[in-house]
Amino acid sequence: DAGVIQSPRHEVTEMGQEVTLRCKPISGHNSLFWYRQTMMRGLELLIYFNNNVPIDDSGMPEDRFSAKMPNASFSTLKIQPSEPRDSAVYFCASSPVAGGPITEQFFGPGTRLTVL
Amino acid sequence: GESVGLHLPTLSVQEGDNSIINCAYSNSASDYFIWYKQESGKGPQFIIDIRSNMDKRQGQRVTVLLNKTVKHLSLQIAATQPGDSAVYFCAESLGFNDYKLSFGAGTTVTVRA
Repeated sequence: DAGVIQSPRHEVTEMGQEVTLRCKPISGHNSLFWYRQTMMRGLELLIYFNNNVPIDDSGMPEDRFSAKMPNASFSTLKIQPSEPRDSAVYFCASSPVAGGPITEQFFGPGTRLTVL
Repeated sequence: GESVGLHLPTLSVQEGDNSIINCAYSNSASDYFIWYKQESGKGPQFIIDIRSNMDKRQGQRVTVLLNKTVKHLSLQIAATQPGDSAVYFCAESLGFNDYKLSFGAGTTVTVRA
């Protein structure tokens, strides 16, 4: 089992550029989460998908952030335009049970984003 | 070694000693609690969970204690090993089936050889 796969692992970009983060959940998992981790705010849930449908995007900071899940094996988180305050580690997590035990959230290794 | 709530974010412990990591949660309506371990460069990893109808749960070398009266959660690690060096987070939610987790700030545990 490869676990949750995220790419890239590191991204350095300049302010104003578009950034796309990618996630491949564990096969068979039907819930997917995007989190952001910073020293100031800790781990925050950005968006939650269930069966490829966005269920809760209340954590998405602003319109510059968007997320898609075109199929069960792929999701993207896009920031356009990026700003220095977006610098953080972004995690993707997946869960095998729709609305089930949240103990089953498996986290990927994260993407460290630096916006200059 | 012992940490106190979220005001002491680091804990240094001698290898072989027991560790106690504390967490004060804020929502008295929280019904479900989880401890996560995050090693450097990796994502959080589930350690152990507990529901609010319990006050203690044991796993392999780890024990979680819940005191709902004072809204306090602790994680005890027995015979701490170098591989236990990591950041430990407590998380709370309103229910066992609630996907929304509220994470604490984390405690950095460093194991001294």
